[in-house]
Amino acid sequence: QSALTQPASVSGSLGQSITISCTGASDDTAFMNYVSWYQQKPGKAPQLVMYDVSNRPSRVSNRFSGSKSGNTASLTISGLQAEDEADYYCCSFTDKKTLVWVFGGGTNLTVL
Amino acid sequence: QVQLQESGPGLVKSSETLSLTCTVSGYSISSGYRWGWIRQPPGKGLEWIGNFYHGGNTYYNPSLKSRVTISVDTSKNQFSLNLTSVTAADTALYYCARAGNNWLYWGQGTLVTVSS
Repeated sequence: QSALTQPASVSGSLGQSITISCTGASDDTAFMNYVSWYQQKPGKAPQLVMYDVSNRPSRVSNRFSGSKSGNTASLTISGLQAEDEADYYCCSFTDKKTLVWVFGGGTNLTVL
Repeated sequence: QVQLQESGPGLVKSSETLSLTCTVSGYSISSGYRWGWIRQPPGKGLEWIGNFYHGGNTYYNPSLKSRVTISVDTSKNQFSLNLTSVTAADTALYYCARAGNNWLYWGQGTLVTVSS
């Protein structure tokens, strides 16, 4: 089962932009096309904020954007707001036939 | 509006079986999508446990496969998780959720503590 690697923490000041990376194993390039991102605030269930790399659910602010290069997907949050402070997890499946899913270890975002 | 609600004992003794049920409202699980379980140990990250696609196969995390069973009761629009031979490492917040290519709908989660 492949792992998705994220930085443990990132921080940024109000109004600035930050990027969280999510790196898969070198042979997982195809499955990185299905990376999704989840925001989790304390005591709450995770919420989808990005899917299929760069598609944003309608309820999610357009300050959130996603991209991919090779085996690394990224989530960028621009114009940081205090409400963005949360844990963020990337996720994908490692085999489209058997649908074995894997989550990244999570990144704690601190808004300064 | 799709809603999922986990239920089950909050305390399980070590070596016994953890059993949880997810009740779905707002959508029939027999109509499609993948339905599964994800857990989160206290202070730690998310771990996919397994999922099924109604009418299709059931898939499990290889690290848990020998201990996990997910079953379905379409008459009640519910699906269940059984995890055998639990240890303290299985103490976690357990979520049920619905997936297409991503996990869009989640339950609120239920905390299960394994006691010795």
